[in-house]
Amino acid sequence: DTEVTQTPKHLVMGMTNKKSLKCEQHMGHRAMYWYKQKAKKPPELMFVYSYEKLSINESVPSRFSPECPNSSLLNLHLHALQPEDSALYLCASSLRAGGFYEQFFGPGTRLTVL
Amino acid sequence: GENVEQHPSTLSVQEGDSAVIKCTYSDSASNYFPWYKQELGKGPQLIIDIRSNVGEKKDQRIAVTLNKTAKHFSLHITETQPEDSAVYFCAATKQTGANNLFFGTGTRLTVIP
Repeated sequence: DTEVTQTPKHLVMGMTNKKSLKCEQHMGHRAMYWYKQKAKKPPELMFVYSYEKLSINESVPSRFSPECPNSSLLNLHLHALQPEDSALYLCASSLRAGGFYEQFFGPGTRLTVL
Repeated sequence: GENVEQHPSTLSVQEGDSAVIKCTYSDSASNYFPWYKQELGKGPQLIIDIRSNVGEKKDQRIAVTLNKTAKHFSLHITETQPEDSAVYFCAATKQTGANNLFFGTGTRLTVIP
């Protein structure tokens, strides 16, 4: 199984809502990532988890809260988002963080904030 | 930090022709250069990569070349097919430290049947 799955595929939320994005992989990877991708732009790194511990936070606003409950799951909790947070949110995983490890990307969650 | 530039931003070719996408990087310590293909509605997918101890790598119709001195690398697609139409991103990273990928700005390739 070389797949990263993400749910939901689409999400529309208001600025006062609380929602969560989920990501799952069963490749035995110990590094997992959240990226944000705006239209016609490359993915921007948000968070990196290595062995279920947050290792990188790229100065992301606190309205985005990541969680890694176990080595296969990664969540992104959303609260009080702004319309400019509308984007495609991509999850990725790799065997380890650091080094020459291929990152496997999920299909993304298309988020719209009204 | 690393800065990766990518050209062109859009590229249209006739089916069967070749396509070339070029990237430059700024950090001479970068030593791993993957290329990702992103189709509509999907996440990026690695199609080929090259490490700094190699000058060229080929996989069927796809090849990548690296010039460490000039700090640039290129993706070459031969005998293009309509299914090659997608957005292509180059990236650069270092072996040490976190696996941060620094992406180029992307090239939208359209292969005209």
